[in-house]
Amino acid sequence: AQSVTQPDIHITVSEGASLELRCNYSYGATPYLFWYVQSPGQGLQLLLKYFSGDTLVQGIKGFEAEFKRSQSSFNLRKPSVHWSDAAEYFCAVGAGYNQGGKLIFGQGTELSVKP
Amino acid sequence: GAGVSQTPSNKVTEKGKYVELRCDPISGHTALYWYRQSLGQGPEFLIYFQGTGAADDSGLPNDRFFAVRPEGSVSTLKIQRTERGDSAVYLCASSPSTSGTQYFGPGTRLTVL
Repeated sequence: AQSVTQPDIHITVSEGASLELRCNYSYGATPYLFWYVQSPGQGLQLLLKYFSGDTLVQGIKGFEAEFKRSQSSFNLRKPSVHWSDAAEYFCAVGAGYNQGGKLIFGQGTELSVKP
Repeated sequence: GAGVSQTPSNKVTEKGKYVELRCDPISGHTALYWYRQSLGQGPEFLIYFQGTGAADDSGLPNDRFFAVRPEGSVSTLKIQRTERGDSAVYLCASSPSTSGTQYFGPGTRLTVL
């Protein structure tokens, strides 16, 4: 069965520090992978996605993620965190995505940013 | 342009009552999805429409849940005989195609007392 694991429920980083949020997936075929961010009271906003090709993908707000098939991982990174990045981050895999399939989400990682 | 909208933003009801939650997708988007997000969890898939028909309803938890999209645009999620365990944020997303990015609405927070 398809699944997504985000091992870190809560992470705190200092403003200006680098960030890496972990995501591991279980999926039999080539995965379609996504990172979404959810701020309090806001809907989910897509940060970036991987469908195929270059395994390092760039997203909005200075985020990037790297697909590593051998590790079944799709970790999200940002070189310098801003206070406005504090939010909940969700990794997701598209199940049968090219046929309009659903997204399977991880539990989420809550990011806090220290001044 | 306008994004996905959901109404109401908050709904409080009593156990056993019937509720309807509405989703207005982005204009022209053919695919529409419903998810449910419980506190501290990631969204869980409920149902997906392609046009007017439900292409995948495997996530609906039981027969108290039903969704329609009669004209291929607006969708309504209907919950009968609500239970306290139905309390959650119900999210709607739409996509321009079956393989496109899903754009999410702000959600409806349902509280069953």
